[in-house]
Amino acid sequence: DQQVKQNSPSLSVQEGRISILNCDYTNSMFDYFLWYKKYPAEGPTFLISISSIKDKNEDGRFTVFLNKSAKHLSLHIVPSQPGDSAVYFCAARDIYGGATNKLIFGTGTLLAVQP
Amino acid sequence: GAVVSQHPSRVICKSGTSVKIECRSLDFQATTMFWYRQFPKKSLMLMATSNEGSKATYEQGVEKDKFLINHASLTLSTLTVTSAHPEDSSFYICSAPGGASGANVLTFGAGSRLTVL
Repeated sequence: DQQVKQNSPSLSVQEGRISILNCDYTNSMFDYFLWYKKYPAEGPTFLISISSIKDKNEDGRFTVFLNKSAKHLSLHIVPSQPGDSAVYFCAARDIYGGATNKLIFGTGTLLAVQP
Repeated sequence: GAVVSQHPSRVICKSGTSVKIECRSLDFQATTMFWYRQFPKKSLMLMATSNEGSKATYEQGVEKDKFLINHASLTLSTLTVTSAHPEDSSFYICSAPGGASGANVLTFGAGSRLTVL
């Protein structure tokens, strides 16, 4: 049962344009959402997060939007740069999963930013 | 910022042997650490929660006798893959909450690529 889903396995964007990565979840008890960036053979690195009590959080070129009623969040990157090319994972915190900070990850979206 | 160090980064072993992977939080303490596993082009699957001073909590379907976890101190957790089989070949990543990004964020190690021949 995949509680966090990223339905687009890949996305290709031109440099300078906006990249929009989407994520859907099924568990309404998730209270905190995060986006991670991952390169092959490396661990994920944290990008940005949002609490369930907010609908938007911005950090430089990265903005995360949360629509709780739709159980949907998205990551916007603008302007996109070639160095942004990586796999992006969304993750949700399951506070009722038995341990604080237990994260459930989506399946990932491979972003390719074309020069 | 928070740093989680994982060692070894790559290991190749023969079937039937055991392999130990270490995860250290270098500049912060972690009473809890999480072990994930990633298959090629797949998501990160949580295997277990490592608890300092007590037993690890395993996710459904993960064999606790095969994947031994020991949280020896506030900065060290180890994962031992016992009697390794080729199907155990995978990318194992540990993580810990805390550090500069705050307690709500998991900081990940660089991962360990295990290949079982």
